[in-house]
Amino acid sequence: AQSVTQPDIHITVSEGASLELRCNYSYGATPYLFWYVQSPGQGLQLLLKYFSGDTLVQGIKGFEAEFKRSQSSFNLRKPSVHWSDAAEYFCAVARNTGGFKTIFGAGTRLFVKA
Amino acid sequence: NAGVTQTPKFQVLKTGQSMTLQCAQDMNHEYMSWYRQDPGMGLRLIHYSVGAGITDQGEVPNGYNVSRSTTEDFPLRLLSAAPSQTSVYFCASSYSLDNSPLHFGNGTRLTVT
Repeated sequence: AQSVTQPDIHITVSEGASLELRCNYSYGATPYLFWYVQSPGQGLQLLLKYFSGDTLVQGIKGFEAEFKRSQSSFNLRKPSVHWSDAAEYFCAVARNTGGFKTIFGAGTRLFVKA
Repeated sequence: NAGVTQTPKFQVLKTGQSMTLQCAQDMNHEYMSWYRQDPGMGLRLIHYSVGAGITDQGEVPNGYNVSRSTTEDFPLRLLSAAPSQTSVYFCASSYSLDNSPLHFGNGTRLTVT
């Protein structure tokens, strides 16, 4: 069965510092990969997605993610974190396997300190 | 453009009561789904639909029913609420059935006492 693992429940970074959120997936083939962000009391918003081609994808708000097939990873990065980036981040995988489903990781909550 | 609209935003039920969580989208999306979000568990898929008249179970379907009579609406029914169904529920839709991202509503926070 496909699964998504986000090893870090929460991460704290200083404003202006770089950020990397980890995501590993388990699937028999290359799935479609997504990162979503959730601000308090809100639904999830798409940050970026990977389907095929260039393994480094750019998203909104200055985020990027790199797909590494050999490591089954899709880590999210940002060079310089802003206080407004504090939120919860979810990695997700999707594949049409006779029943289309998107499966989410447990999420990583990002805290930003001044 | 309203996107995905969920009602109500908050609901408190007693054990054994029934209710329907409403979800409507105005983007003409074929795919709609319901998730529940619990602390430390991310979002878990309850039910989904790939078009009007077609529904299927997700990871955690027990205790929930769905139907899809129109493209726009995808209600989630709790027939006999249990405290284990206390959660935040999200409805989501997407344009196509493969690689389109999900568009989420703002959620319904349900408490079952």
